[in-house]
Amino acid sequence: EPEVTQTPSHQVTQMGQEVILRCVPISNHLYFYWYRQILGQKVEFLVSFYNNEISEKSEIFDDQFSVERPDGSNFTLKIRSTKLEDSAMYFCASKVSNEQFFGPGTRLTVL
Amino acid sequence: AQSVSQHNHHVILSEAASLELGCNYSYGGTVNLFWYVQYPGQHLQLLLKYFSGDPLVKGIKGFEAEFIKSKFSFNLRKPSVQWSDTAEYFCAVTGGGSQGNLIFGKGTKLSVKP
Repeated sequence: EPEVTQTPSHQVTQMGQEVILRCVPISNHLYFYWYRQILGQKVEFLVSFYNNEISEKSEIFDDQFSVERPDGSNFTLKIRSTKLEDSAMYFCASKVSNEQFFGPGTRLTVL
Repeated sequence: AQSVSQHNHHVILSEAASLELGCNYSYGGTVNLFWYVQYPGQHLQLLLKYFSGDPLVKGIKGFEAEFIKSKFSFNLRKPSVQWSDTAEYFCAVTGGGSQGNLIFGKGTKLSVKP
């Protein structure tokens, strides 16, 4: 069964560094999402992406964040200058109709 | 703004007990409703969803949920839980956003004692 994959599973970085989180959505899916979950808190929507552009973003998704679909398979989330409060689990999701399929997540730890 | 409330933070049950997890949402328009489950160390998986039609929806692993529009509720139920149901359960809603962005509740951790 096809699934969404994410790499790395755990990323540790220093405050101020750039990180790129990678996702490979399910191949025939058209809509892509990033969510995050800070430890002990709810899963929060960050951004949605369709037709090679951002379709919607939340207040969390400020100028430090960007997304890209550099080729036909990868979907990346970049944080330009990480802050301590960016430490969270980041989930990628994709869908073709009404159901979103989630990846296993990348745990980002900012020191 | 839309929001989702899950009433219970942590529920502890013995095997064979019945389960009901509460979920309320705040959005006056047409909504799609979901329950996701996250088993320890695993990713979010869809348990069931409601878009329209019969308000009682059945999902995987014996779970069901009832959409009660007048109460803005979508409670999850299972008649008899098993130890393997130990997981975190998230209620989510889409509506209003053009691309169906999910709004999640805080989650309910279910611990089932063998």
